[in-house]
Amino acid sequence: GAGVSQSPRYKVTKRGQDVALRCDPISGHVSLYWYRQALGQGPEFLTYFNYEAQQDKSGLPNDRFSAERPEGSISTLTIQRTEQRDSAMYRCASSFTGTGAQETQYFGPGTRLLVL
Amino acid sequence: AQTVTQSQPEMSVQEAETVTLSCTYDTSESDYYLFWYKQPPSRQMILVIRQEAYKQQNATENRFSVNFQKAAKSFSLKISDSQLGDAAMYFCAYRHGANSKLTFGKGITLSVRP
Repeated sequence: GAGVSQSPRYKVTKRGQDVALRCDPISGHVSLYWYRQALGQGPEFLTYFNYEAQQDKSGLPNDRFSAERPEGSISTLTIQRTEQRDSAMYRCASSFTGTGAQETQYFGPGTRLLVL
Repeated sequence: AQTVTQSQPEMSVQEAETVTLSCTYDTSESDYYLFWYKQPPSRQMILVIRQEAYKQQNATENRFSVNFQKAAKSFSLKISDSQLGDAAMYFCAYRHGANSKLTFGKGITLSVRP
């Protein structure tokens, strides 16, 4: 079956512009996660959803970042008024359940964002 | 807050040899899970192995095994019979049992010499 997909794969934008990053999870997966990964670093948690409910947004760095998952499937991470420090790889992951012992998070290929 | 530490930024191993990648973590929780993820040059994130903290037996997946020392909060990955395709960045990660987010270490770059 299809894995987690993300679009666009690459995004170059100018400082001050808004960007929307899309994640399409594995079909049937309840939980969806967003992470940000700087070059040479491990991914850092941003936020996650169970179905359409945003369960934890403690990792969002500031109020320019927001995420939604209105129908419990596809999710969009939006960054408003982008800044150069927002440049990173943005990764989405999904899992069948949120906290089950056998839960495994499956990652998408990521969106590489470059803010000029 | 939980932290994951990978103190070795790079390691190298000869093809067919064995290598061990180190990871330590800090938590006050008793219910948690530990993971090793592989990130090849394609930058995909691929789960290598998982360990439940309540299990005393070390997890094994083919050539990959872990040495889980709960008291020492250590979780190292051993790769046996290293192959060229094992060359990648490896991340250690922690998840609290009642929480879904993964906390990652900074990663270690493994190179395999032919």
